[in-house]
Amino acid sequence: DGGITQSPKYLFRKEGQNVTLSCEQNLNHDAMYWYRQDPGQGLRLIYYSQIVNDFQKGDIAEGYSVSREKKESFPLTVTSAQKNPTAFYLCASSYGQGAYEQYFGPGTRLTVT
Amino acid sequence: DAKTTQPTSMDCAEGRAANLPCNHSTISGNEYVYWYRQIHSQGPQYIIHGLKNNETNEMASLIITEDRKSSTLILPHATLRDTAVYYCIVRGSNYKLTFGKGTLLTVNP
Repeated sequence: DGGITQSPKYLFRKEGQNVTLSCEQNLNHDAMYWYRQDPGQGLRLIYYSQIVNDFQKGDIAEGYSVSREKKESFPLTVTSAQKNPTAFYLCASSYGQGAYEQYFGPGTRLTVT
Repeated sequence: DAKTTQPTSMDCAEGRAANLPCNHSTISGNEYVYWYRQIHSQGPQYIIHGLKNNETNEMASLIITEDRKSSTLILPHATLRDTAVYYCIVRGSNYKLTFGKGTLLTVNP
């Protein structure tokens, strides 16, 4: 059953701790993306990767880091430098560069107190 | 990418057609119109996209005006499960999807 998985669904952390959110896809997509969504708002792009071992900053990359060592996986680390980390985080993937539709995972809701 | 304007909210009766409008008056010739929807606390779901011709798939129809300055997403027989926020996005030939606040469609029994 092809798709994108994100784990966990809910995550709680104390302020000052780094936390890593998982994103895995078995769609054989080259491109992967991380978005952040705040209540009542649209999605904002954090990082994206068009190919393994390469990634680019999106609109709000400060306080976040990513890696793309495997085609299937694109983990996002929320560092202690991110001032407002509490949000809904969404991972997506697409066939590649260009205007291909993006497919989204179910999201991880991160709460930092 | 061109900006879009959508109503904040709309209501529709179950079983009736839901027509969701979108204005994109600054769209350029190589930009596509995409529609996604997001059910509460889930990831967005791709619905349909088009360039200038009308498009139809198993989920919806997309009607784009001849001047391409506006479009309408049509859900032919809305069900309660179609209650969601619907995003209209204009996108060029690059990766970037820019999500606004969308339209909250509420389907009522």
